[in-house]
Amino acid sequence: NAGVTQTPKFRILKIGQSMTLQCTQDMNHNYMYWYRQDPGMGLKLIYYSVGAGITDKGEVPNGYNVSRSTTEDFPLRLELAAPSQTSVYFCASSYSYGGTEAFFGQGTRLTVV
Amino acid sequence: EDQVTQSPEALRLQEGESSSLNCSYTVSGLRGLFWYRQDPGKGPEFLFTLYSAGEEKEKERLKATLTKKESFLHITAPKPEDSATYLCAVQASYGGATNKLIFGTGTLLAVQP
Repeated sequence: NAGVTQTPKFRILKIGQSMTLQCTQDMNHNYMYWYRQDPGMGLKLIYYSVGAGITDKGEVPNGYNVSRSTTEDFPLRLELAAPSQTSVYFCASSYSYGGTEAFFGQGTRLTVV
Repeated sequence: EDQVTQSPEALRLQEGESSSLNCSYTVSGLRGLFWYRQDPGKGPEFLFTLYSAGEEKEKERLKATLTKKESFLHITAPKPEDSATYLCAVQASYGGATNKLIFGTGTLLAVQP
């Protein structure tokens, strides 16, 4: 049982470049999330999705975009990368949004130089 | 403003030395309080969900409790393998379909043999 799988694990981007962080889950969860984690800060929600075709902004959505064409996949797109986007990104999924635990991927460490 | 505060930021224990981690919160309409464990370079791993004041959950050497304003994670006779960052998260209800998950910054626990 793979759970939540993120790729790549590490990436270095130059300022202004774009990339997509991939996230796939095999638990048939309707809800999926993208978080970023910065040193000394709590996990911050970037975007979330309540099902295929439905996405919404979290706390820190600027500079990112998402799509949800299938239940399994929830890619995060960074356009015009900036140093402020240097962070560790986590994808998560849950059976429902309220009151149930989320399962997290292993993370993608992104550095923008 | 909704807020989750964890203390201490870091805790060093000797093997077998019991202690507690604190998570205090101010949110409106608590739907659930979650404890996660995070190992270096890994995603958070779910430990417990607590829903109402007075509730307690146990797992091996860990016991989580909840009051109306805070939660404690009690660690009894810890072992070096309990070393990790412990994250607290609160899910609040805002009366609509959107429920927000707010993370604390975590407590870094080191257990020395």
